[in-house]
Amino acid sequence: KQEVTQIPAALSVPEGENLVLNCSFTDSAIYNLQWFRQDPGKGLTSLLLIQSSQREQTSGRLNASLDKSSGRSTLYIAASQPGDSATYLCAVTGNQFYFGTGTSLTVIP
Amino acid sequence: DTGVSQDPRHKITKRGQNVTFRCDPISEHNRLYWYRQTLGQGPEFLTYFQNEAQLEKSRLLSDRFSAERPKGSFSTLEIQRTEQGDSAMYLCASSFGGAFSGANVLTFGAGSRLTVL
Repeated sequence: KQEVTQIPAALSVPEGENLVLNCSFTDSAIYNLQWFRQDPGKGLTSLLLIQSSQREQTSGRLNASLDKSSGRSTLYIAASQPGDSATYLCAVTGNQFYFGTGTSLTVIP
Repeated sequence: DTGVSQDPRHKITKRGQNVTFRCDPISEHNRLYWYRQTLGQGPEFLTYFQNEAQLEKSRLLSDRFSAERPKGSFSTLEIQRTEQGDSAMYLCASSFGGAFSGANVLTFGAGSRLTVL
């Protein structure tokens, strides 16, 4: 069974700092990897999707990379803002979507 | 089409009662997923449909849980004889093409929060 791990579980940074969130998965036979943002008590909002044939995707201040062979993905957030405070989840697709437990990010003004 | 809709957003019920949640996916999406999420955890897979066919059910989905998607459009998730351990956020998501499609983007609804007293 696919296991997805996200490190760190929580992160607190001052505004303006660049940061990296990590996602690792045990089975490299995936079709894609998706990063989501979740605000407290809300549903999940898709941020980036990386297909298995791709190495990275960028959207604004976000950049996600994928290394299938090592079972790792990173989400890079540049010039963090207080509005970035949320929980970030990664999900990999095999037979269905497998989620990590998330990284709770707090950006301090 | 404004996205995936879930109803109700919040449900408080007494233990032993039955509850039903509804999900309306994005209209052109053929796959519909149900997940359960508890505080501090990632979403846990419950079941998914491709059109009206229920293709996979998690072992988390006990006999008290049943899901339907009768016409391949909206779906319902019913929990019978609710227990306090059923308290969670129930999330619905939809996609086009399915998990095997590399370009498949999963779109979530806002969730239905269940509290069992």
